[in-house]
Parts: sequence; C-alpha cells; structure tokens
Amino acid sequence: QMHLVQSGGGKVQPGRSLRLSCAASGFAFRTYGMHWVRQAPGKGLEWVAVIWDDGSKKYYADSVRGRFTISRDNSKNTLYLQMTTLRVEDTAVYYCTSAAVGDKNYWGQGALVTVSS
Amino acid sequence: SYELTQPPSVSVSPGQTARITCSGDALPKKYAYWYQQKSGQAPVLVIYEDIKRPSGIPQRFSGSSSGTVATLTISGAQVEDEGDYYCYSTVSGANERGVFGGGTRLTVL
Repeated sequence: QMHLVQSGGGKVQPGRSLRLSCAASGFAFRTYGMHWVRQAPGKGLEWVAVIWDDGSKKYYADSVRGRFTISRDNSKNTLYLQMTTLRVEDTAVYYCTSAAVGDKNYWGQGALVTVSS
Repeated sequence: SYELTQPPSVSVSPGQTARITCSGDALPKKYAYWYQQKSGQAPVLVIYEDIKRPSGIPQRFSGSSSGTVATLTISGAQVEDEGDYYCYSTVSGANERGVFGGGTRLTVL
C-alpha cells in the first residue's frame, strides 16, 4: 500500500516558522520528483514547490520563494517544507504529492497550517 | 504570470455528458493533467498526459487536447462525480513550476 503521511501542521503567529514533513512508504520514493501544493480555505489548489528525485533541483512559486525551502532525505523516505516568515495569507491545507509518473500519483492526507496572531 | 483558465461551474443531469475546459497558451507544448477533489479529501488524478486514464478511474472519464485547450469529458455523468475538478500543467524556463487552473465545480442533479 502506497502512503504519504504528513506531520507538522498547526497554528503559528505571523513572522514565525514551521516545518512540514511527509513520510513515504510503499513506493520507490527516491525515484520520484515531489511537490508541495496548498489550498487556502474555500479556495482552489495552488502549486508551491517541487524538488527533483535526487534533490538536485528545486523550484518555487513566486508567492513563497525566498521564504520556503523544499528538501528531502531519500535515506529516510521523507520530504520536508521549511516555512519561514509566515504570513496570514499562507494559511492553507498543505499537501505533499509525488510527480505523476505514468498513472502513479500519490498524495498525503494534508496538513492545516494556520497563521494568525 | 502563466495561467490556466477553467469555467467556475458546470452543471448536468445524471446520464448527460459533462465537459470541462482548460485554456492555456503553453498547452500545445505541455501536457495537461486533471484532478478530481471531493469535499475534505485530497485530489485524485483522473487523466494524465492529456488523454490517458489511470487504472481504477471509470471509463466515462476521458481527456482531449487541441491547441491551447484541454478538455475533460465525463460521458454519462453520475451523481458520485460531483466535486471540484482542476487542470494542471507545467511551465518551463529558468523557474520551472507547476500551475493549476482555478477549478470547476461539477454539479450532477
């Protein structure tokens, strides 16, 4: 059974930091590019960041570049999103998801991040 | 910045054909992917690489692409197909990135 299990969400004050984790099992994590996608309350999906399978390349949405860092540890089958200088508008459910390789595409259960004073 | 444009809503009766479009200037060169999202759940891939259907997705779901428009077609829509549908594609360049359409709420009633 293929799984992506997320952790690390919660409530944080503006300007603070938070790290999300996404633990993979049941598939060859190290061979997949991985993304973070978020969804603000009542809104659509927004792509956030991508990291290549070997971690050699990383790309970000304009809205988070310079504040968020995507990383991975293939020895631990885990993806991370380090979020700094958080803003109220970063409030969303954050999903980790694998790149679609053929018809294989895996999603985490989502983690709610609330940025509020 | 690059955008994918979808209609906000589509409504059909059960058994009718629902078509959801996605417009983007780069679609002639980039694949479109389609996701279904039901309330409170993670998205599910229903079409990949413009026209391919993942295993486990009902045959009534199909995809097509012509020029700058990709289309998701649900032939004989069922009540259980209600939900939000998002197209997704990628942008190449110095800052490669993904982009989602704004989403289409499909109502079947």
